[in-house]
Amino acid sequence: QKEVEQDPGPLSVPEGAIVSLNCTYSNSAFQYFMWYRQYSRKGPELLMYTYSSGNKEDGRFTAQVDKSSKYISLFIRDSQPSDSATYLCAMSRYSSASKIIFGSGTRLSIRP
Amino acid sequence: DARVTQTPRHKVTEMGQEVTMRCQPILGHNTVFWYRQTMMQGLELLAYFRNRAPLDDSGMPKDRFSAEMPDATLATLKIQPSEPRDSAVYFCASGSAAGERTDYGYTFGSGTRLTVV
Repeated sequence: QKEVEQDPGPLSVPEGAIVSLNCTYSNSAFQYFMWYRQYSRKGPELLMYTYSSGNKEDGRFTAQVDKSSKYISLFIRDSQPSDSATYLCAMSRYSSASKIIFGSGTRLSIRP
Repeated sequence: DARVTQTPRHKVTEMGQEVTMRCQPILGHNTVFWYRQTMMQGLELLAYFRNRAPLDDSGMPKDRFSAEMPDATLATLKIQPSEPRDSAVYFCASGSAAGERTDYGYTFGSGTRLTVV
């Protein structure tokens, strides 16, 4: 079993819809939780960063962490075609510049 | 805009040949990571360095892969001999960790797409 599980999709939604992306994990020692976005033929880029449990909002994006359930989510409101990409959850035990374990990524497509 | 530079962007080589991939981390970043991405396995951590010293290379096949940081501006990943199963996109990423202060996340390069035939 992988340490981090993520549904690979693909997920296709109409423009303007709310998107929910999720990951589960098995290692309770993880404390730092991240979401990366990866466009085709590009490297992943950091989208959101959360420490421990709770919510964090940044514009149209909201990240949620539930450590008791070992479950993290990313919500995208008012989705745009430019949001079409692969979204990878990631987590680590220590600081963000330490070893990070990535989920396999969910491919998201926003239909105009 | 600070960026991580990887060369070459694409590499096609024959099985058995040596492959060298290079990475220039962001100036001032003291932590460098090498990841491999495939459709089947996703992003796998191969090795990482802090202040040029290897911290963890447990994800790397030791018999054929080697990673080094000859200086603070250059990280290399070598495969010798290469095999078709090594075909993947190899990413370098850099980040900053200095005592209690850390920057958030890594910055990834655009990757080297390796095809071994």
